[in-house]
Amino acid sequence: AQSVAQPEDQVNVAEGNPLTVKCTYSVSGNPYLFWYVQYPNRGLQFLLKYITGDNLVKGSYGFEAEFNKSQTSFHLKKPSALVSDSALYFCAVRDMSGGGADGLTFGKGTHLIIQP
Amino acid sequence: EAQVTQNPRYLITVTGKKLTVTCSQNMNHEYMSWYRQDPGLGLRQIYYSMNVEVTDKGDVPEGYKVSRKEKRNFPLILESPSPNQTSLYFCASSYTIYSGANVLTFGAGSRLTVL
Repeated sequence: AQSVAQPEDQVNVAEGNPLTVKCTYSVSGNPYLFWYVQYPNRGLQFLLKYITGDNLVKGSYGFEAEFNKSQTSFHLKKPSALVSDSALYFCAVRDMSGGGADGLTFGKGTHLIIQP
Repeated sequence: EAQVTQNPRYLITVTGKKLTVTCSQNMNHEYMSWYRQDPGLGLRQIYYSMNVEVTDKGDVPEGYKVSRKEKRNFPLILESPSPNQTSLYFCASSYTIYSGANVLTFGAGSRLTVL
């Protein structure tokens, strides 16, 4: 079975400071990892994904994420936060050992609040 | 514009009154899925469909039905809604599920309240 944990319900960061939103995962095979963002009253939007290769993945809006296999983590990062980054962030995993037919498993989400 | 369209966006209904939430995508995607979002629980998959006439249960299918008669449409049916089905519902689609790298495109969501 695959699972995802986002240990923080909420992360508060001052504008201009670096931000990190944490994610750890559990799979039996090789993981495909994703970050999605949800702005108020909107559906989820894709930010970035890790499939294979370079452990540092760059995505939309200046976000990046670092895949760490030994720590089974995929933390989302941004060097300088903007107030407009305030949203709900979801980490998701797909275990490809079973062919991937089970789809994505999402974490519970982390509210990111950027204070002016 | 490539998109997933859900209707209605907001609905208040009463226990036992059958309702359907429609979902349509214009991207010729094979894979479609329904999720519900609840505070503290994140997104949980209700049903998914690999292609036309192929549907399967997700993690929380009880109380829901789906059908996939056409590639573009994947309606979610609540035959006898109950208050515990009050939630925010999302439809999503992607080209295929067999390539794990495929990204889901989500609809804007349907907020359902069952009294």
